Amino acid sequence: AQKITQTQPGMFVQEKEAVTLDCTYDTSDPSYGLFWYKQPSSGEMIFLIYQGSYDQQNATEGRYSLNFQKARKSANLVISASQLGDSAMYFCAMRPTGNQFYFGTGTSLTVIP
Amino acid sequence: NAGVTQTPKFQVLKTGQSMTLQCAQDMNHEYMSWYRQDPGMGLRLIHYSVGAGITDQGEVPNGYNVSRSTTEDFPLRLLSAAPSQTSVYFCASSYSFTEFYNSPLHFGNGTRLTVT
Repeated sequence: AQKITQTQPGMFVQEKEAVTLDCTYDTSDPSYGLFWYKQPSSGEMIFLIYQGSYDQQNATEGRYSLNFQKARKSANLVISASQLGDSAMYFCAMRPTGNQFYFGTGTSLTVIP
Repeated sequence: NAGVTQTPKFQVLKTGQSMTLQCAQDMNHEYMSWYRQDPGMGLRLIHYSVGAGITDQGEVPNGYNVSRSTTEDFPLRLLSAAPSQTSVYFCASSYSFTEFYNSPLHFGNGTRLTVT
């Protein structure tokens, strides 16, 4: 069975601090992709970062990085130097071999000034 | 560059009415899908398509119908609306896994549907 788990319904972080959003996944496919999306209060879904199962290095995109631990089946999103505009829902998703994407239930991040 | 265009943005239906949510993409994506988003439940897959003429059910297909006559369009039909279908609906598209395995889903802006 394919499954994505986000165990933190809500998180708070002080502005300019770093924050880690947790994501664990379950798949028996040897090849898969992991994605993170941001959903601000306006509702749109914004793609942030991608990590492939065979990638040797952790993915980075600006202030976003993905802490990929394959043996533990975790793909945590790290946001450095948090900004007020980072306040949003964050979703982890997995695409195993095939075409379907599987989403977690999301983490609501609030950045405190 | 329009991306994924979803209409309408808001809709109110009475129980038993039917309607079609429109979705179009201009990125030549083979894969298209419909999700519903409910509080605390993330995004749940309703139906998806891997190409024109091919559709399949997702996690929550009951009460919904889809068709894919062209690569660009993937409408979602509510056959007889029920209050349980009150939700936010997203259409999303991607290159197929075999084309670009690292292709993310591109989302439309969503439709907020209320069934009374």
